[in-house]
Amino acid sequence: AAGVIQSPRHLIKEKRETATLKCYPIPRHDTVYWYQQGPGQDPQFLISFYEKMQSDKGSIPDRFSAQQFSDYHSELNMSSLELGDSALYFCASSLGDEQYFGPGTRLTVT
Amino acid sequence: LAKTTQPISMDSYEGQEVNITCSHNNIATNDYITWYQQFPSQGPRFIIQGYKTKVTNEVASLFIPADRKSSTLSLPRVSLSDTAVYYCLVAYNTDKLIFGTGTRLQVFP
Repeated sequence: AAGVIQSPRHLIKEKRETATLKCYPIPRHDTVYWYQQGPGQDPQFLISFYEKMQSDKGSIPDRFSAQQFSDYHSELNMSSLELGDSALYFCASSLGDEQYFGPGTRLTVT
Repeated sequence: LAKTTQPISMDSYEGQEVNITCSHNNIATNDYITWYQQFPSQGPRFIIQGYKTKVTNEVASLFIPADRKSSTLSLPRVSLSDTAVYYCLVAYNTDKLIFGTGTRLQVFP
């Protein structure tokens, strides 16, 4: 069965650079969520989109923005990267209550 | 703010049944209880969800007492591959999952 696809899987950036993470939800899923998981920490909800509109917002820094496109894929844009942004970024999609998570993008900021 | 309390870690041996209990004293009337499993460097994976009494699927059972202030995830006959972190979440809907600290399960041969 098709799963959530995230790209890239690994990304290395320097401080103050920008990064764009992509998420391709499971076909027919209408909701996308973004989570950030720091080393040894729990996943933290960042933001979600339903039918291409932002539906909820969590602890997403102002330096980050996201959107969902007409084909339902989503992109998380991160600017002015800081060392503390180094983390695993998960995307999840759903059609209802159950969220299916992608494999994550590991972002390392040096 | 996490709405759940779980043991930080548990140890077990292969073939044993493992029960992980989660406390959620402030559960709201409409909240569901959901458990996720997470392996290192992977996204959380849905295990089971319930509202009351008992739910069973092909991988686990979930026991929820009448007052719903706690729940127990039961993993029958664990194997080494069940070594992971298990998260208990309560939410009216899962629009935004608020993860707690989770329970780190270590299965020994």
